[in-house]
Amino acid sequence: DARVTQTPRDKVTEMGQEVTMRCQPILGHNTVFWYRQTMMQGLELLAYFRNRAPLDDSGMPKDRFSAEMPDATLATLKIQPSEPRDSAVYFCASAPGGGGELFFGEGSRLTVL
Amino acid sequence: AQSVAQPEDQVNVAEGNPLTVKCTYSVSGNPYLFWYVQYPNRGLQFLLKYITGDNLVKGSYGFEAEFNKSQTSFHLKKPSALVSDSALYFCAVNPSGTYKYIFGTGTRLKVLA
Repeated sequence: DARVTQTPRDKVTEMGQEVTMRCQPILGHNTVFWYRQTMMQGLELLAYFRNRAPLDDSGMPKDRFSAEMPDATLATLKIQPSEPRDSAVYFCASAPGGGGELFFGEGSRLTVL
Repeated sequence: AQSVAQPEDQVNVAEGNPLTVKCTYSVSGNPYLFWYVQYPNRGLQFLLKYITGDNLVKGSYGFEAEFNKSQTSFHLKKPSALVSDSALYFCAVNPSGTYKYIFGTGTRLKVLA
């Protein structure tokens, strides 16, 4: 059963520390998305990639967030330095092409103290 | 601006009764329409989609959705609710098969035994 895998599932860290979240998209999916979910803002698109190239990262705070796809099996989202307002659940999703349904991972719950 | 509205934060329904979760959208062209469900501490799971064709779409777990072009709505329905249907439901719109998905704010469904 193909699925999107995210690590870590839970992360608690101190303000100022670097956080890296990882995602393994479903094999063969050429589009990868990073979303952030909070109670206040709901589901926010941070970045998306097609064929490993970033198509849009306008939803991401550029000064502290970065997203990359080093290869087709790995997407990373890095926060440096982290702040308490970054506390949220971060979801990775992948899709086989334009317009179809998204396949979400289980999320990485980040708590920044 | 393109948008998706889920006018109800919460919907309560008795087990065995029919349920409806509402979604309206403001998107130009012929968008692709989706419903996702999210259980506690889990990622979003795809339920069903409308791209073209029959206005009544059937999906997973007995859910269906009705597309109404004139009212720009895509309401989620189920003839007989189960307690296990209690979850957070998201409507999403993809403008004409692009890579951008617009999510609603979510509706919490509570099915009472």
